[in-house]
Amino acid sequence: SQTIHQWPATLVQPVGSPLSLECTVEGTSNPNLYWYRQAAGRGLQLLFYSVGIGQISSEVPQNLSASRPQDRQFILSSKKLLLSDSGFYLCAWSAGTLETQYFGPGTRLLVL
Amino acid sequence: GIQVEQSPPDLILQEGANSTLRCNFSDSVNNLQWFHQNPWGQLINLFYIPSGTKQNGRLSATTVATERYSLLYISSSQTTDSGVYFCAVVNSGNTPLVFGKGTRLSVIA
Repeated sequence: SQTIHQWPATLVQPVGSPLSLECTVEGTSNPNLYWYRQAAGRGLQLLFYSVGIGQISSEVPQNLSASRPQDRQFILSSKKLLLSDSGFYLCAWSAGTLETQYFGPGTRLLVL
Repeated sequence: GIQVEQSPPDLILQEGANSTLRCNFSDSVNNLQWFHQNPWGQLINLFYIPSGTKQNGRLSATTVATERYSLLYISSSQTTDSGVYFCAVVNSGNTPLVFGKGTRLSVIA
C-alpha cells in the first residue's frame, strides 16, 4: 500500500531563516505531488504541484519554491522566511489529476 | 476558474443527530472528493464521487453533476465526526483540485 511521509512535524523558525520541508511517497511510481498551505485554520491554498521529476507548477507567487529531485520526493523551500509563512503545510499525492488525492500528516510551521 | 462553495460554514450537532453538508460548484467537474480534517489536522479521504451515490457506514454522498452540487450525509453523528469537511473538485484536464472553504462540524455529547 502507499504511504506518504512529511517531516518535520513541527518547526519554529526565526524570520529571515531558510526553510526546507520534505515529503516522500512510498508504494507508487510517478505520482502527482502537491504542496498546500492552511493558514487560517480552514481553507487550503495550493502552492505547487508536480506531474513528474523536475516539473513544477506554481499556483501562488511568493517567497517559497519547490523541487522534485526524485520521483517520489517533493521539497518545499524558502531562502528567507517571513512571518506570513507561518501555517500548516500539507503534502499530497495522487496517481493522476482525476484520481483520488491523499494527504500527508502535515508540518506546522511557526515563524517568529 | 471554477468556484466551490460549501454550506453551512459552521454546524453544531447533538450526538446522534443527522446532518447534510452541501457543496455547490460553478462548472462541470471530472473529479469530486470529500475530505474530513480531524482536530489534529489530518485530512482523510471520505469519498471520490464525481457523480452518483456512495455509502460508507454512517456516511453517504451524492453528486448531481448536471445540477452542479454534491451532498454529504452524516447519520447518527458521533463526537469523533467533529472537524472540518472539505469538498474539492477538478474542472478539466490536468488542473489540480480546487477546494471549498469547508464546513466546521462540532458534535457535542
